[in-house]
Amino acid sequence: QVVLTQSPSASASLGASVKLTCTLKSGHSSYAIAWHQQQPEKGPRYLMKINSDGSHSKGDGIPDRFSGSSSGAERYLTISSLQSEDEADYYCQTWGSGIRVFGGGTKLTVL
Amino acid sequence: EVQLVESGGGVVRPGGSLRLSCAASRFIFDDYGMSWVRQVPGKGLEWVSGISWNGDSTRYGDSVKGRFIISRDNAKNSLYLQMNNLRAEDTAFYYCAREERGRGAAFDIWGQGTVVIVSS
Repeated sequence: QVVLTQSPSASASLGASVKLTCTLKSGHSSYAIAWHQQQPEKGPRYLMKINSDGSHSKGDGIPDRFSGSSSGAERYLTISSLQSEDEADYYCQTWGSGIRVFGGGTKLTVL
Repeated sequence: EVQLVESGGGVVRPGGSLRLSCAASRFIFDDYGMSWVRQVPGKGLEWVSGISWNGDSTRYGDSVKGRFIISRDNAKNSLYLQMNNLRAEDTAFYYCAREERGRGAAFDIWGQGTVVIVSS
């Protein structure tokens, strides 16, 4: 079964950049994933989908500050020019064999 | 604006039942697979169940298999989750989510959620 691993927390300063990582279980490095943002007290919001070749497609209205990339079994979400509203939980999600899976989430703190 | 709106949440006793609904608007509902996702307050997201565009294929997470039933009515642009034999650990926010069209199943639209509380 496909598994996604995320670091529980990350932090970066206002105006800086941060790169969040989602790691696919060994043997699943060809899988695409999606990134979702959940701000405090809100529902999740789709950010983008990232393919194994690094190509990605973003959801409607997602700022250019958000970008995605890929390397091997790792999928990345980079947020540049961090703003206070970027402080949120970020989840990666994938799918296969009819099931859908989430990573444990990364809590991003903007300092 | 493309929208999903959940309803039907509430307080129910252990062993009871509840039916959640999700109303879709401003997109061609029967072009898309759909899923239910839940979140215990303070915890991460958990996929609960998914259904194909025509309802022919349904899947469930291990924690709800045999107790929950997902269904859809494309004529009414609606998704449902029948929850039976509810347990305290089913207490959570429940979100419906649209799966991207074509290859893959990224959740590209989310509802605002409805809360289910299982308590005696």
